[in-house]
Amino acid sequence: KNEVEQSPQNLTAQEGEFITINCSYSVGISALHWLQQHPGGGIVSLFMLSSGKKKHGRLIATINIQEKHSSLHITASHPRDSAVYICAVGRNEKLTFGTGTRLTIIP
Amino acid sequence: DVKVTQSSRYLVKRTGEKVFLECVQDMDHENMFWYRQDPGLGLRLIYFSYDVKMKEKGDIPEGYSVSREKKERFSLILESASTNQTSMYLCASSGYSGSAYNEQFFGPGTRLTVL
Repeated sequence: KNEVEQSPQNLTAQEGEFITINCSYSVGISALHWLQQHPGGGIVSLFMLSSGKKKHGRLIATINIQEKHSSLHITASHPRDSAVYICAVGRNEKLTFGTGTRLTIIP
Repeated sequence: DVKVTQSSRYLVKRTGEKVFLECVQDMDHENMFWYRQDPGLGLRLIYFSYDVKMKEKGDIPEGYSVSREKKERFSLILESASTNQTSMYLCASSGYSGSAYNEQFFGPGTRLTVL
């Protein structure tokens, strides 16, 4: 079993829909990261959180340490949000990654 | 703006060749990482370095070596490339602030094809 599990693997939605991507992990962590990867490869860090909730624009990330679970929400989704979203858990300097959720937003 | 650059975006090599992938960061970060990314497997850590001349094996170091002679530069070496090393290679760096909560900054990736 992978240490970091994401669901769903693929998600297609209409523009404007509320999006939720889930991440569960099985190990103790110091922080959880959400990353975004657009076609072409570049990876950008969206959030790093160790408790509670963070918001940046239309993106919200939450984490429940007791349940070892995090969610990434996108409000008012837009075609430019189409990308692969990756959850990663941090222990000291190292990250362990989920396999990603491919999100496609249809206009 | 943090910048992590990689020497090539695309590279095609032949089986048995020695391959060098270079990564440079401009933020004076202590930690540097090499990952490979394969469909369905996500990113996997090959090696990382927490200081000049220091290195630690990641999850999949076999067939690879690394070099960090200067703080800003971290090289990944494939001593004798094989077809199963065809992959996307990503470099990343992060700073050390005395806590574990360090964001990693990624380079654009090198897509390596070994024929």
